[in-house]
Amino acid sequence: DAKTTQPPSMDCAEGRAANLPCNHSTISGNEYVYWYRQIHSQGPQYIIHGLKNNETNEMASLIITEDRKSSTLILPHATLRDTAVYYCIVRVAELGTYKYIFGTGTRLKVLA
Amino acid sequence: GAGVSQSPSNKVTEKGKDVELRCDPISGHTALYWYRQSLGQGLEFLIYFQGNSAPDKSGLPSDRFSAERTGGSVSTLTIQRTQQEDSAVYLCASSSTMGSTRGVTQYFGPGTRLLVL
Repeated sequence: DAKTTQPPSMDCAEGRAANLPCNHSTISGNEYVYWYRQIHSQGPQYIIHGLKNNETNEMASLIITEDRKSSTLILPHATLRDTAVYYCIVRVAELGTYKYIFGTGTRLKVLA
Repeated sequence: GAGVSQSPSNKVTEKGKDVELRCDPISGHTALYWYRQSLGQGLEFLIYFQGNSAPDKSGLPSDRFSAERTGGSVSTLTIQRTQQEDSAVYLCASSSTMGSTRGVTQYFGPGTRLLVL
């Protein structure tokens, strides 16, 4: 019941920008888009989140389309340590709590 | 059924004191996570328990932080000698599995709001 769809895998050359797309066509007006990543056998790591404006932090940039139906996570200079599964998540409010539905994500492999 | 519960819901403490935060996961969930969330920020992963495996402690910010999970169910997060920068909402989540091909749904508790004066 994930609300987002992502390609299952991508490769990126080391030092190049990695552009990870995500579709969230059923997103509601007040729902944020979150990106997390998970390196093998570790817990999820927060990357960035946004509502409608583009966002940038020390890890990545997030570009959200004007209709908010899709977004792209950009890692400007990918390194080998960026190899991980990247999850695009819409936070769902349910019965007074929040549920983060982690879909299958995109397995990014950074190649030397 | 019951969701994830956490206690206390709010905790105010003085700098230097120890605090214990409790999490009761959904019955039958093998995976349990602790996160913290500072105001306006995303979730910062702290620690992850999966079944009887050794926990992933890679997110713990310092050795003042520790957590245990007894009997594969209830978990306690302990912060020793609290500092003002420890003030945040501490969230616990559980899931039925981790890394399945269908993805993972984490169910979060309401959190504990910790304020260190």
